[in-house]
Amino acid sequence: DTAVSQTPKYLVTQMGNDKSIKCEQNLGHDTMYWYKQDSKKFLKIMFSYNNKELIINETVPNRFSPKSPDKAHLNLHINSLELGDSAVYFCASSPRTGVVHSPLHFGNGTRLTVT
Amino acid sequence: KQEVTQIPAALSVPEGENLVLNCSFTDSAIYNLQWFRQDPGKGLTSLLLIQSSQREQTSGRLNASLDKSSGRSTLYIAASQPGDSATYLCAVKGSGGGADGLTFGKGTHLIIQP
Repeated sequence: DTAVSQTPKYLVTQMGNDKSIKCEQNLGHDTMYWYKQDSKKFLKIMFSYNNKELIINETVPNRFSPKSPDKAHLNLHINSLELGDSAVYFCASSPRTGVVHSPLHFGNGTRLTVT
Repeated sequence: KQEVTQIPAALSVPEGENLVLNCSFTDSAIYNLQWFRQDPGKGLTSLLLIQSSQREQTSGRLNASLDKSSGRSTLYIAASQPGDSATYLCAVKGSGGGADGLTFGKGTHLIIQP
């Protein structure tokens, strides 16, 4: 009955590969997000997405792309992986688009290691 | 550009003590401020959300205050327990700061000694 679930929990891959991380939320939330937490534990927004609008943080390379087959899913695709992509990636969701005071619900994270 | 700073970066106290975690932000034009808890290998759990018009929020042994004009928030934990050991993150939601306007601090790593 996990609210926001991500798979896989761990992902080890080589430079240059293409990989995907899946995220699903069963909370009925309208908006989903991807965050990156680097080795210094700094958490930064990558994308926010609802059924109408994708907002991309300007610092995110275009090798990263979110894909949403439906409102409950937001998957993260990464092309041509680089060493600097190693981090923990968190998926999150919030209840309603445009509602400012919506607490975020996070998944448990995917630890990506690029060798 | 919004910047969020948390002090101290790490804190270790004996069980039973009351403690205060600090968060400061540079741009006072915020909608709200949230405190999260992160356990090792886990995601973030939202603890408290304070709207910009509010001064404080309470949940059990936790009390968060907000002074928007001075750009400060504190998280007060009463009668600390070993289960409170975790990293506590502060985040502000403003008009800028990224795809959802949420800017995080680097967190305070808290250890409660039994």
